[in-house]
Amino acid sequence: AQSVTQLDSQVPVFEEAPVELRCNYSSSVSVYLFWYVQYPNQGLQLLLKYLSGSTLVESINGFEAEFNKSQTSFHLRKPSVHISDTAEYFCAVSDQRNTDKLIFGTGTRLQVFP
Amino acid sequence: SAVISQKPSRDICQRGTSLTIQCQVDSQVTMMFWYRQQPGQSLTLIATANQGSEATYESGFVIDKFPISRPNLTFSTLTVSNMSPEDSSIYLCSVPTGSGSYEQYFGPGTRLTVT
Repeated sequence: AQSVTQLDSQVPVFEEAPVELRCNYSSSVSVYLFWYVQYPNQGLQLLLKYLSGSTLVESINGFEAEFNKSQTSFHLRKPSVHISDTAEYFCAVSDQRNTDKLIFGTGTRLQVFP
Repeated sequence: SAVISQKPSRDICQRGTSLTIQCQVDSQVTMMFWYRQQPGQSLTLIATANQGSEATYESGFVIDKFPISRPNLTFSTLTVSNMSPEDSSIYLCSVPTGSGSYEQYFGPGTRLTVT
């Protein structure tokens, strides 16, 4: 069975500051890793994912995440945040043998202040 | 990409009553998923709904409490039966993106408050 831990329930930062949202997972099998974002009053949408290949993956809006197998982590980072990045961020994993089932973390609320 | 709509977007219900949530997708999909997001907690998969067969429920969820219908390839309903305040949650449906992408598209969710 898999589990996902997002230690930070809330992360307040000022605009243009760097940010890291932490995600650790537990699994006895190989997994795929995802970050989803939920903007205020909107549905969940995929931000980025790691399936295979390069352990550093990037999104179109400047976020990146690095898969670290030895530390079972998939932390999300952005060097300079914008007000518009204010949202709830969810880390998720799926078993490579059963990709239909997503296991989510509890989410991290990123609040960007001017 | 798939566009998913849910009805209602929110509702306030009295305990002991039932609410049916609708999920509509703009394309035909074999599988649809129903999730629950309780306040301050992660999203939890309730069940997988395949067209033409009974839904498959995850541990801790039963058909009597969360009956699901899947009459065609673009539509599904989830009913929350005999509600209690503990059922207050956001309920979301999702569909797989397919084509080896392994992620899912999510609907906007239904925010349910039980008083």
